[in-house]
Amino acid sequence: EVQLLESGGGLVQPGGSLRLSCAASGFTFSSYAMSWVRQAPGKGLEWVSAISGSGGSTYYADSVKGRFTISRDNSKNTLYLQMNSLRAEDTAVYYCAKEVVLVVYATYYFDYWGQGTLVTVSS
Amino acid sequence: SSELTQDPAVSVALGQTVRITCQGDSLRSYYASWYQQKPGQAPVLVIYGKNNRPSGIPDRFSGSSSGNTASLTITGAQAEDEADYYCNSRDSSGNHPWVFGGGTKLTVL
Repeated sequence: EVQLLESGGGLVQPGGSLRLSCAASGFTFSSYAMSWVRQAPGKGLEWVSAISGSGGSTYYADSVKGRFTISRDNSKNTLYLQMNSLRAEDTAVYYCAKEVVLVVYATYYFDYWGQGTLVTVSS
Repeated sequence: SSELTQDPAVSVALGQTVRITCQGDSLRSYYASWYQQKPGQAPVLVIYGKNNRPSGIPDRFSGSSSGNTASLTITGAQAEDEADYYCNSRDSSGNHPWVFGGGTKLTVL
């Protein structure tokens, strides 16, 4: 059974830092790209960052580029999101999600999501 | 980056059929995927690819696509289908891998 378990959320002051983790199990972690997706209170889903299975390629939304860093440790089956220079608008539930990419079928989707971890940026 | 546009809210009478749409340039190149989200819960994949349902998703959920529009259809909506629905696809602009629609709140009357 695939499981994704986020941790590391909490209350942080503006300008502060936080590191989120996502522990994965039930699949060959290194074979899949992973993403972080966030949801501000009462708002929709926003893709934040993605990383390839090897960790060699990373991608960021414009809203977090230069402040957030995505990484993974395939030996520990764990995905990370280092968040620096946090702003009030970063307040959200952060989900990690497993990507499925079927290029030949033009089919891309997230088949599993964690339960999310809440990050609150406030003084 | 590319955008996906959804109607903010849609309603349907119990047992009737409802279609939720998603528009965007990326959908000319990639299939949409659809996610159901109930209050306080994580999103759940309900449709992916041309018209595929993950295991455990009722067959009243179906998907279709034409041009720049993808649709999620619920045939015979049930009370438990009341939720937010989000479309998602690869971003054809090349700037970012992924793009989400703004979500549609489905109310079952």
